[in-house]
Amino acid sequence: EAGVVQSPRYKIIEKKQPVAFWCNPISGHNTLYWYRQNLGQGPELLIRYENEEAVDDSQLPKDRFSAERLKGVDSTLKIQPAELGDSAVYLCASSLDGRPPSYNEQFFGPGTRLTVL
Amino acid sequence: GENVEQHPSTLSVQEGDSAVIKCTYSDSASNYFPWYKQELGKRPQLIIDIRSNVGEKKDQRIAVTLNKTAKHFSLHITETQPEDSAVYFCAAQMEYGNKLVFGAGTILRVKS
Repeated sequence: EAGVVQSPRYKIIEKKQPVAFWCNPISGHNTLYWYRQNLGQGPELLIRYENEEAVDDSQLPKDRFSAERLKGVDSTLKIQPAELGDSAVYLCASSLDGRPPSYNEQFFGPGTRLTVL
Repeated sequence: GENVEQHPSTLSVQEGDSAVIKCTYSDSASNYFPWYKQELGKRPQLIIDIRSNVGEKKDQRIAVTLNKTAKHFSLHITETQPEDSAVYFCAAQMEYGNKLVFGAGTILRVKS
């Protein structure tokens, strides 16, 4: 069974340019997460989806970041415009059911390493 | 909100020795504590987890202990091997919200 798939794996852009990341979760997983991992730090949650509904986006910088999960499967995360401080690894994860109380394992994708010049 | 602190930030051990990584959390409502291993350039992978109704859990060479009163939990790796070298992250999750808050990570180096 395929794991969480992300693309692209690497992206280098100039500041002020837009960028988009794509995630395909494990089949059957209702919950999808986007995390940002800065160098030398643990992942930080940006947004969580239950099916197509964003249920926790309190950490998402909404002035420049947007996300969508149409049809409750694949998801895209967009940054427009990108800033130097956005350089990080963007991880997507999925789990069977994220509704509380729930302790389902979160499976991570390989991440997209973004470099903003 | 929840805050997770992890120590040490780096840990070097000789092959065969034990390694211990410690984490503390701030929110007493947290009741699920997973540990992830992340090799260089790869995705984080769950290696063991513990729920608040259990004080200790073991899986072969790996064990996790939880002290809810003190709000800390630890990862113990015995008989370390070079392939144990990686970054280890602890995390805490509250019962309601399913949000994992991660520690900053520990770089474990096992020297052969």
